[in-house]
Parts: sequence; C-alpha cells; structure tokens
Amino acid sequence: TQLLEQSPQFLSIQEGENLTVYCNSSSVFSSLQWYRQEPGEGPVLLVTVVTGGEVKKLKRLTFQFGDARKDSSLHITAAQPGDTGLYLCAPGKAGSYQLTFGKGTKLSVIP
Amino acid sequence: GAGVSQSPSNKVTEKGKDVELRCDPISGHTALYWYRQSLGQGLEFLIYFQGNSAPDKSGLPSDRFSAERTGGSVSTLTIQRTQQEDSAVYLCASSLDSESYNEQFFGPGTRLTVL
Repeated sequence: TQLLEQSPQFLSIQEGENLTVYCNSSSVFSSLQWYRQEPGEGPVLLVTVVTGGEVKKLKRLTFQFGDARKDSSLHITAAQPGDTGLYLCAPGKAGSYQLTFGKGTKLSVIP
Repeated sequence: GAGVSQSPSNKVTEKGKDVELRCDPISGHTALYWYRQSLGQGLEFLIYFQGNSAPDKSGLPSDRFSAERTGGSVSTLTIQRTQQEDSAVYLCASSLDSESYNEQFFGPGTRLTVL
C-alpha cells in the first residue's frame, strides 16, 4: 500500500507572505496533479506535472515534481486571501485510471 | 461549456432510508468517478465508469452502495438503508478518457447528512 502524505496539514498565514506545501510518497508516479478545493465546492485542477524535476508556474504558484517522481511541492508567492482553500495532491500511475488523493493542506490567508 | 453538475446539493435523511444522488458529467467525457469526502479526510474512491466497460466497484464500502450510469452519461449513486457513518460529501468527477493523465473535473458535491 502506497503512503501519501501532505504537509503541513493546516497553515495560517498573513496576506503577502510566501509559503510552501509538500506532497510525499513512498511510490514512484508517472504523473501528479494538484487541485484546490474551496468550501462547498469540488476540487479544481491547478496543474499536472509528468517529468521528474519538472517545474511549472501558474501566476504566483510554482509547482515542482521531484527528480525521483516520489514527491512534489507547491510554492505560493505573496499569498492572497483568494488563495485560501484545501490543496490536494493526486499522484497517478501509468496504465491506471485511479488517482490517490492526499488528505490535503488547509490554507488560510488572513487579510 | 457546462461543468459537472450534481443533485441535490444537500440531502438530509433518516437512518435506514434509501437515498439517490445524481451526477451529470461534462458532455463527451467517457470516464466518470464517484468519491466520498468525510470531514478531515481525503477523497475516498468509490466507483469508476469508462464507456461501456464494466464499472470498477472496488471502492464501494458495502453492498448498501450501488451506482449505475445510463447511456454513458448520467450516473446515479444509491445508498440503501443509510447509516450515520454514511454522512459525507459525495463528489462526482468526469474526465475525457482514462489516458490523458486522468485530469478530472469535479462537480460541487452532494452533502449527505444521516440523522
């Protein structure tokens, strides 16, 4: 059974601060997705990373896939209240339609 | 275009009653998933439909849970004889197919409360 851990579980920061959240696993994955879920809504896909060492930027969000494709990080620069939400990572395996979702990092950005 | 829709958005029922939850996937998406999200937990996979293939029911927690997908589009998740531990948000997702890195598009969910 693969272990998937997201850290920290909770994070509360002031507007304008930078932060990084992590997704770590004991398994190697062919791809990894990050989703953001706001209260009362379903998760929304932010990015998919597929190559070890890959870095993708989405405005103030920077996503990195580890060289060994076992871990990933999400860095947010100058956080804004609109970044508040639950950040979920979901690794995938080649040939499998199933995604395994982590428990997420609940981020609160205080104005 | 329209996203994934789910109904009802909220459902309160009494223990022992049956409930039906509905999901309308994005038009043209052949893959459909049901997940359960309990407070403080991640998304728990329940069932997967792909085209006309037999569904993967490996995530259904008990035989009280069943799901069907009619005409390769709308899906219904049925929970019989509901129990309090069934209280959760039930999320439906669809994807274009199972090959494109499995990028899933989620509905807003149905919040089920069993009294």
